[in-house]
Amino acid sequence: ETGVTQTPRHLVMGMTNKKSLKCEQHLGHNAMYWYKQSAKKPLELMFVYNFKEQTENNSVPSRFSPECPNSSHLFLHLHTLQPEDSALYLCASSQTESSGNTIYFGEGSWLTVV
Amino acid sequence: GQQVMQIPQYQHVQEGEDFTTYCNSSTTLSNIQWYKQRPGGHPVFLIQLVKSGEVKKQKRLTFQFGEAKKNSSLHITATQTTDVGTYFCGGSGSARQLTFGSGTQLTVLP
Repeated sequence: ETGVTQTPRHLVMGMTNKKSLKCEQHLGHNAMYWYKQSAKKPLELMFVYNFKEQTENNSVPSRFSPECPNSSHLFLHLHTLQPEDSALYLCASSQTESSGNTIYFGEGSWLTVV
Repeated sequence: GQQVMQIPQYQHVQEGEDFTTYCNSSTTLSNIQWYKQRPGGHPVFLIQLVKSGEVKKQKRLTFQFGEAKKNSSLHITATQTTDVGTYFCGGSGSARQLTFGSGTQLTVLP
């Protein structure tokens, strides 16, 4: 139990589908993150929300759309994805968006785009 | 932008041998964090270093932060099969968020 829960754990979707990844943190944190992890690549920061406000969009294609309704929940809406988008998507949280804070990762959502 | 390089990318050791992974930044870091990701798992925080020249130990793991705060290392003494996984460093300089290295994947052969 990490305190950061992601659903679904595994998702297979076609390139024309629309799906969403969900993340919930039970740690009372104010910052939430989406990371992408592909084989043989560093952890890629996608989006950051601090106190529900988006503070970082790391040049992510518009086919990925984040939503943060409150400090405890974070969504990643997916539409018209490409096969190269197949990866492990990790949600994370920290006390605030300060680099000195520990980042707590969820178990990840394995996404396969066919 | 800030870059964090980590070497080696892969390391295979016999159980009982030592292991070291190195992290190097293109810029001075305000702090560096280390994470471990077990196969099929998610990154888990190990430790944070803040001070120049800082050394911290966790049982068989020794973490160092360079004097210039541009590099760091993680050393594992007498590896065990439970040490298997990928070790990531993450550093921050002027950016608000951590920049992660590509990780070192450790395999421990019994």
